[in-house]
Amino acid sequence: SQTIHQWPATLVQPVGSPLSLECTVEGTSNPNLYWYRQAAGRGLQLLFYSVGIGQISSEVPQNLSASRPQDRQFILSSKKLLLSDSGFYLCAWKQGSTNTEAFFGQGTRLTVV
Amino acid sequence: DAKTTQPPSMDCAEGRAANLPCNHSTISGNEYVYWYRQIHSQGPQYIIHGLKNNETNEMASLIITEDRKSSTLILPHATLRDTAVYYCIVRAGGSNYKLTFGKGTLLTVNP
Repeated sequence: SQTIHQWPATLVQPVGSPLSLECTVEGTSNPNLYWYRQAAGRGLQLLFYSVGIGQISSEVPQNLSASRPQDRQFILSSKKLLLSDSGFYLCAWKQGSTNTEAFFGQGTRLTVV
Repeated sequence: DAKTTQPPSMDCAEGRAANLPCNHSTISGNEYVYWYRQIHSQGPQYIIHGLKNNETNEMASLIITEDRKSSTLILPHATLRDTAVYYCIVRAGGSNYKLTFGKGTLLTVNP
């Protein structure tokens, strides 16, 4: 069966520090991968999605970047965190080109101080 | 993807049916209706999806109007654990890769 791993669960980082959040999927190949952010009391904002290794689409201009170095690995990064980067970050995967559901990780709660 | 409109919040008594509406008047012929829910501080969870026929699974039923411009998610016997934000999404299948969420409906199940 397929599983998605996202870590860490919580993170407190100072302003100006770098960020690396990792997401991996098991039990499937060539998934579509997604990064979302949810600010406190707000909806889910799609940040990046990827349909294959090295293929990244960015939805909103921001202080973050994403990479997909392997088929089932999706990384969210920042060189210098801002206070406004605080939020709940969620990774998701979906089988590409099918009418199937997406599966979400448990999320990382990032607090920038 | 077609835009959806949902009420921001709803209340339901425990044990009663919860009926969550969604308007998607600009839906096109190849777009599916998906429902997810997000319990506080967790990742969203898939509930059900359909194209034009009504669908039922162990979690819920999905009723889609004949003109497909609106749908209703039905939780037949709501429990306190069903308190969550429910998202209605309309998206095409095939090569449509984006998956975007609106603000959803906060369903509060009261004892």
